[in-house]
Amino acid sequence: EAGVTQFPSHSVIEKGQTVTLRCDPISGHDNLYWYRRVMGKEIKFLLHFVKESKQDESGMPNNRFLAERTGGTYSTLKVQPAELEDSGVYFCASSQVLAGAVDTQYFGPGTRLTVL
Amino acid sequence: AQSVTQLDSQVPVFEEAPVELRCNYSSSVSVYLFWYVQYPNQGLQLLLKYLSGSTLVKGINGFEAEFNKSQTSFHLRKPSVHISDTAEYFCAVRPNTGGFKTIFGAGTRLFVKA
Repeated sequence: EAGVTQFPSHSVIEKGQTVTLRCDPISGHDNLYWYRRVMGKEIKFLLHFVKESKQDESGMPNNRFLAERTGGTYSTLKVQPAELEDSGVYFCASSQVLAGAVDTQYFGPGTRLTVL
Repeated sequence: AQSVTQLDSQVPVFEEAPVELRCNYSSSVSVYLFWYVQYPNQGLQLLLKYLSGSTLVKGINGFEAEFNKSQTSFHLRKPSVHISDTAEYFCAVRPNTGGFKTIFGAGTRLFVKA
């Protein structure tokens, strides 16, 4: 079974440009999460989808960030326009909730974004 | 709100020595606790989790952790480390009142030397 995949693995862009990150969750996983780690600090929650619906987007930094999950499969995270402080590693995770159980989140390898 | 503090940013240790990676948390509600490991160029992998019951939790690769509610700690231990344990380790919590938001610590880099 394929794990969570993310594309690209690295992205280097100039300030003011647009970047779109993609996440393909494990097949059948309804839950999809985005996290970000900036400069070796803690990994911070950005948002959570259940299928195509945003369940919690309380961690999104500002309106330059837009996440979508059309059709409830893969997700994209667009940053427009990018700023220097957006640099970091963006992780995606997915999970499937079973009744009465705490889900295990499976993480992708991350996309390293560098904004110059 | 919750927060997680990993007390050591880097831990160097010799092969076959024991290791403890420390984690303290703060929360106004009860939480589930997790340890994840990230090997180079890979995603985070769940090592172990505490949901309820016995405070000593055993995970993969010979790791274990003990939940101490009074000290709000969840330290990770291994009695004898291998070179292959070199990685970054993350402690995390999630409220057990529902919701899926996980709060992570800043990570501890474990370097195992020959």
